[in-house]
Amino acid sequence: QQQVKQSPQSLIVQKGGIPIINCAYENTAFDYFPWYQQFPGKGPALLIAIRPDVSEKKEGRFTISFNKSAKQFSLHIMDSQPGDSATYFCAASMETSGSRLTFGEGTQLTVNP
Amino acid sequence: DTAVSQTPKYLVTQMGNDKSIKCEQNLGHDTMYWYKQDSKKFLKIMFSYNNKELIINETVPNRFSPKSPDKAHLNLHINSLELGDSAVYFCASSQWDGYGYTFGSGTRLTVV
Repeated sequence: QQQVKQSPQSLIVQKGGIPIINCAYENTAFDYFPWYQQFPGKGPALLIAIRPDVSEKKEGRFTISFNKSAKQFSLHIMDSQPGDSATYFCAASMETSGSRLTFGEGTQLTVNP
Repeated sequence: DTAVSQTPKYLVTQMGNDKSIKCEQNLGHDTMYWYKQDSKKFLKIMFSYNNKELIINETVPNRFSPKSPDKAHLNLHINSLELGDSAVYFCASSQWDGYGYTFGSGTRLTVV
């Protein structure tokens, strides 16, 4: 049973576009929702994270929107650049799980020049 | 000054062999993890240790055995390797509350 579902699987945008990646979760006990960025040959790196007590968080060009009632959250990348081309993963964890991260399936983002 | 380092980066071996992957972190974290990334890039936790104590043990074949000699090291030993074990294995570490979660750069295991 996939507890965190991510879409789309792949996404292609032009430079300056605003790619949006969506995730939905099932377990209402999740209380921490990070996004990770992974480049080929590298490990996932934390990009931005949110807790369910806020509906939006911005860090630079990256914004998380969180909808607790719908059990959904999304990543928006403003003014996307070719260097943003990577695989993006949403994840979720709960305080009682020993910091286990449950990942979405990943989105391969390509930003064309 | 790599934060979480894994060795080797690549590992090619024959079916039936036994192999180990080593992981070390210099972040002062007390929790370490092993994750498996399959050919579709799906990431799934395998194990976690807190201060050398096994905390999470997902449904992983007994052929996989983690060992934590101290809180800065977490090794993964795999016995009787099978074709389906081919994947990228990531070590990670964090503070107990999950703060500072950091992944290594991965070990690509190919079983032939």
